[in-house]
Amino acid sequence: DGGITQSPKYLFRKEGQNVTLSCEQNLNHDAMYWYRQDPGQGLRLIYYSQIVNDFQKGDIAEGYSVSREKKESFPLTVTSAQKNPTAFYLCASSITASGEKLFFGSGTQLSVL
Amino acid sequence: KQEVTQIPAALSVPEGENLVLNCSFTDSAIYNLQWFRQDPGKGLTSLLLIQSSQREQTSGRLNASLDKSSGRSTLYIAASQPGDSATYLCAVLNRAGTALIFGKGTTLSVSS
Repeated sequence: DGGITQSPKYLFRKEGQNVTLSCEQNLNHDAMYWYRQDPGQGLRLIYYSQIVNDFQKGDIAEGYSVSREKKESFPLTVTSAQKNPTAFYLCASSITASGEKLFFGSGTQLSVL
Repeated sequence: KQEVTQIPAALSVPEGENLVLNCSFTDSAIYNLQWFRQDPGKGLTSLLLIQSSQREQTSGRLNASLDKSSGRSTLYIAASQPGDSATYLCAVLNRAGTALIFGKGTTLSVSS
């Protein structure tokens, strides 16, 4: 089945630790996105990538980093500089970054120990 | 800066009712508008996408309209069912932007 796979489903971070959230797609989409969702809030854009080896900061990029070495993969690292990381993280993709339908993964819930 | 607002924040209806969810945006220079459904603890599922040149889109019991000049979109759900219970989010893509801007959503509960 084609789709977007996020792992793990639940993740716990200790003080001062960096953690990496995985996002893999087999839809052959060029564009990929990371969003953060807090309870009762809309989604806020962290980073996006329009093509391999290229990515751009979104509205709340501080404390996060990404890479796009392969078309299928767009991992997100939550660094120790992100002081309030507890949230639901959603990865998405689209054919290109030109306004096509967005497809989402099932999300990763990150909590701080 | 584009802002997207959804009213009401929550809505409860009995099964079988027709209902309307509202979405408004502050900057009418949009490329398109999308409506999504989100079940608790899950990702989002795209329901309808309306291009800026279109007035409405339909899929089954769902109909979404777009009025760019007034900065409004509505999602009409006909003959609601308990399975429609979820959070519905709208999002716009600005002409100058490359990523969607989301509203906070309307949480719908349909009772049987």
